[in-house]
Amino acid sequence: SQQGEEDPQALSIQEGENATMNCSYKTSINNLQWYRQNSGRGLVHLILIRSNEREKHSGRLRVTLDTSKKSSSLLITASRAADTASYFCATTSNQAGTALIFGKGTTLSVSS
Amino acid sequence: DTEVTQTPKHLVMGMTNKKSLKCEQHMGHRAMYWYKQKAKKPPELMFVYSYEKLSINESVPSRFSPECPNSSLLNLHLHALQPEDSALYLCASSQILTDTQYFGPGTRLTVL
Repeated sequence: SQQGEEDPQALSIQEGENATMNCSYKTSINNLQWYRQNSGRGLVHLILIRSNEREKHSGRLRVTLDTSKKSSSLLITASRAADTASYFCATTSNQAGTALIFGKGTTLSVSS
Repeated sequence: DTEVTQTPKHLVMGMTNKKSLKCEQHMGHRAMYWYKQKAKKPPELMFVYSYEKLSINESVPSRFSPECPNSSLLNLHLHALQPEDSALYLCASSQILTDTQYFGPGTRLTVL
């Protein structure tokens, strides 16, 4: 079952531009995580934000969480061609038995 | 060592074959997971092991049989699979159930 819905489904930008991806979810959560997946490979964890946090930064990444709207956003600043990948949000919640439930993902293409 | 390894990388099997996928981690994590991922879709949770005990089985057909021989190893035994079971099978581990998950590179399975 899927908990999150990412928006947009696909995003194409130029190198140096910022990329923003949004994620909405349905139930209350313990935390929300963002993962990156290069084509046909394993997922790489990017950042985890807990339900009592509102914003978190890691390098060029900025994640926000609005639990009242059940939504999160991932901002990648000064994008590079190497950022081309699929990005998934994933949540853990007591309703899901604390397992990680993934959204549908956003495919990001960064052209040079 | 923050690596999760999976073998084999690729597997082609007939519908009458029996094969196993193997996953290993040496990070001392006590939770391990199997996911199935079809092309252009998010990973779908199959099984969760916590402290070597099966804690979640997401209504997976019995032709998939998980095994956790010890805290570092996770196997997925395959028997009498169907062509629609062809997918990327991902293993992951985490310290505890709600924590960041570390993913292996996956096994690309093709069922003929």
